[in-house]
Amino acid sequence: NAGVTQTPKFQVLKTGQSMTLQCAQDMNHEYMSWYRQDPGMGLRLIHYSVGAGITDQGEVPNGYNVSRSTTEDFPLRLLSAAPSQTSVYFCASSRQETQYFGPGTRLLVL
Amino acid sequence: QKEVEQDPGPLSVPEGAIVSLNCTYSNSAFQYFMWYRQYSRKGPELLMYTYSSGNKEDGRFTAQVDKSSKYISLFIRDSQPSDSATYLCAGVRGVTGGGNKLTFGTGTQLKVEL
Repeated sequence: NAGVTQTPKFQVLKTGQSMTLQCAQDMNHEYMSWYRQDPGMGLRLIHYSVGAGITDQGEVPNGYNVSRSTTEDFPLRLLSAAPSQTSVYFCASSRQETQYFGPGTRLLVL
Repeated sequence: QKEVEQDPGPLSVPEGAIVSLNCTYSNSAFQYFMWYRQYSRKGPELLMYTYSSGNKEDGRFTAQVDKSSKYISLFIRDSQPSDSATYLCAGVRGVTGGGNKLTFGTGTQLKVEL
């Protein structure tokens, strides 16, 4: 199993540009989520999904959209990037108590 | 006040030492607690989770929860240089429909020196 995979590993955007961070898992987990990690703030939940077609907001959802059309994929969209969205983004999937994280995407918004 | 508080460190110990990493929490709704290890520029890696007050042991790692004082600890015995990483604690709540929401502390940076 590849586990949780994320692409790209690193991205530079200009303010106002849009992009999609990709996340996929091959463990057949129903629950998937997105976090961002910032210095001094820890990991904060952006959006989560309990299954295909079902998504909900986390702690810091503003500026981000998600959709879940399949069990395997959970992309995160930035519609108009802002410098405040410079961060490291982690996708995670879980079954029961265990939650597995991907390797992360480093995003720099200029 | 953050729901989960964690001393950021850095904490530096000699090889072979017993390491104590601690968190406090304020939300009584947390159903259980998790510890993750994160190496530099990598994703968090699950170490342990524990539900109730008391100890849970896994190899050199022991997780302890004291719900009466809202205190979480992770002990590492016989620490090794490979244990050098950032350790994250998290409180967990379930969500409707399945799955769990994690609320993380900011992480404690640990360095084990030769």
